[in-house]
Amino acid sequence: QVQLVESGGGVVQPGGSLRLSCAVSGFTLSHYDMNWVRQAPGKGLEWVAFARYDGTNNYYADFVKGRFTISRDNSRNTLYLQMNSLRADDTAVYYCKTDSNAFDAWGQGTMVTVSS
Amino acid sequence: DVVMTQSPLSLPVTLGQPASISCRSSQSLLYSDGNTYLTWFQQRPGQSPRRLIYKVSNRDSGVPDRFSGSGSGTDFTLKISRVEAEDVGVYYCMQSTHWPPLTFGGGTKVEIK
Repeated sequence: QVQLVESGGGVVQPGGSLRLSCAVSGFTLSHYDMNWVRQAPGKGLEWVAFARYDGTNNYYADFVKGRFTISRDNSRNTLYLQMNSLRADDTAVYYCKTDSNAFDAWGQGTMVTVSS
Repeated sequence: DVVMTQSPLSLPVTLGQPASISCRSSQSLLYSDGNTYLTWFQQRPGQSPRRLIYKVSNRDSGVPDRFSGSGSGTDFTLKISRVEAEDVGVYYCMQSTHWPPLTFGGGTKVEIK
């Protein structure tokens, strides 16, 4: 059974850092490109970052460039999102999802709240 | 960046009646490989999004055949032939032709009258 389980969210002060994890099971992470997508409270979906299946290429939304880093440990079947210099407008549920025409799966999301 | 515009914002529908959601892109989504990378997602209340349709009209496994996607270029439509109670939620289109960034429409909320 395919599962993506995000963790690492929480409450952090502006300027702080968090590292999100996305542990996958039921499929082999190393075979799939992956994305982080976020959703602010009551708002729509917003793409954050992409990681190529083999780690060779990463892409970021302009609003997180230089602050967030996507990475993956295929041996642990885990995707990460290191978030630094957090701002109030980064407050959102963060989802990891696959990036494949053949296979689309999302996690349940992890809430990040940036507040003093 | 490609801007995706959905309409309507809200769509009250009677059970058993059809529903239609429009998605327009600020530039053509036809890619050089001949494919058009337009995707539809459904997000039920309190749930994660779920993909319904990819490459304009390809239904995902397990998606009821009352859902269909159509369109080309910059103009796309998601249709529900007969709305059921479980179809309540927000629907998003997304383009992945001209990326990064991937861009989503603002969403259309489907509710029962």
